[in-house]
Amino acid sequence: NAGVMQNPRHLVRRRGQEARLRCSPMKGHSHVYWYRQLPEEGLKFMVYLQKENIIDESGMPKERFSAEFPKEGPSILRIQQVVRGDSAAYFCASSPHRDQPQHFGDGTRLSIL
Amino acid sequence: QQQVKQSPQSLIVQKGGISIINCAYENTAFDYFPWYQQFPGKGPALLIAIRPDVSEKKEGRFTISFNKSAKQFSLHIMDSQPGDSATYFCAASANTGNQFYFGTGTSLTVIP
Repeated sequence: NAGVMQNPRHLVRRRGQEARLRCSPMKGHSHVYWYRQLPEEGLKFMVYLQKENIIDESGMPKERFSAEFPKEGPSILRIQQVVRGDSAAYFCASSPHRDQPQHFGDGTRLSIL
Repeated sequence: QQQVKQSPQSLIVQKGGISIINCAYENTAFDYFPWYQQFPGKGPALLIAIRPDVSEKKEGRFTISFNKSAKQFSLHIMDSQPGDSATYFCAASANTGNQFYFGTGTSLTVIP
């Protein structure tokens, strides 16, 4: 039973480019959460999606960031016109229901040159 | 504003000793308190979790103690081993909410 799969594991972008981070939840999980982790810090919630719907995006910056979870395929976190401050590890988690434990992927480490 | 406060930031324990990590929260709506273990380059892995209807939960060498009135909970690792060296995060969530609130993490080093 595969866990949460994130790719790429490492992503390098230059300032102004777009970053696309992908997350395939565990089988049977329809709830996906994205978190950002800065060095020496805990995880900060960004967005919660349930198949084709954004349920809560209160932690996601209003500009340049967007997320989707289409009916078919992985969830995508997109960051447009990246800046140095976007450098972080981005983790995706999934759960079968909203109030069930969240299982995390191994993250995408985004570096902005 | 940090919803969950975690301490200490780092901890060094001798092999065989007890590691204790503490967390405190303010939001009385929180009703689920998991602990996660994270190794370098990996995602957080669920270790053990508790709900406020019990004061203690034990799984192997890991125990959560929960004090509802004080709004505090702690992780105890008995007989700590070098393989337990990792960063530990406490978290909290409310049934009515959509996210986990994480503590800032404790870097545990168990020395042989």
